[in-house]
Amino acid sequence: TQLLEQSPQFLSIQEGENLTVYCNSSSVFSSLQWYRQEPGEGPVLLVTVVTGGEVKKLKRLTFQFGDARKDSSLHITAAQPGDTGLYLCAGERGSNSGYALNFGKGTSLLVTP
Amino acid sequence: DSGVTQTPKHLITATGQRVTLRCSPRSGDLSVYWYQQSLDQGLQFLIHYYNGEERAKGNILERFSAQQFPDLHSELNLSSLELGDSALYFCASSARGGQINTEAFFGQGTRLTVV
Repeated sequence: TQLLEQSPQFLSIQEGENLTVYCNSSSVFSSLQWYRQEPGEGPVLLVTVVTGGEVKKLKRLTFQFGDARKDSSLHITAAQPGDTGLYLCAGERGSNSGYALNFGKGTSLLVTP
Repeated sequence: DSGVTQTPKHLITATGQRVTLRCSPRSGDLSVYWYQQSLDQGLQFLIHYYNGEERAKGNILERFSAQQFPDLHSELNLSSLELGDSALYFCASSARGGQINTEAFFGQGTRLTVV
């Protein structure tokens, strides 16, 4: 069972277009992270959101954490070919005994010139 | 470069065999996490070690085991390999464990192919 559902699974757009990808769950997370993974590489952290309703911007990328801390979205403005990659969201559920990042399956984004 | 080193990068082995994957965390990081990534399951958390001790277990099979050594490097042992074990195995490290807002740094992964 996947704790985090990401949509869409695949997205192919042209350079300059805007897009939004979603990360949804029925569980509450103490924080949520977005990663980007390129072929042959490990995921690289883009941002962490902690507070319900929080919005963070990273250049052309805007990340939002839902008020109830169960979902998040990533909006890219004026996409560029360099944005191509697999975007993963990961929810953090810490405890006194351990910690684990639960990942969604990701949105595979292709931006063509 | 994340600072996390995984070896080997590629591994091809036969069913029934045993392999060991190695991970060196970023300098100073005490936590090591192992993940398995396959096309159908995505990134699945396997196990977390903090300063040599096991802290959390995820979907790790009994045929798999891990340990973290005093120098903080970690090994993931996979035995009685099956075709379905073919996947990318990632190691990640972080400075802390069991804390909110922990940033994890991933290695480049080991691609395991079982034939």
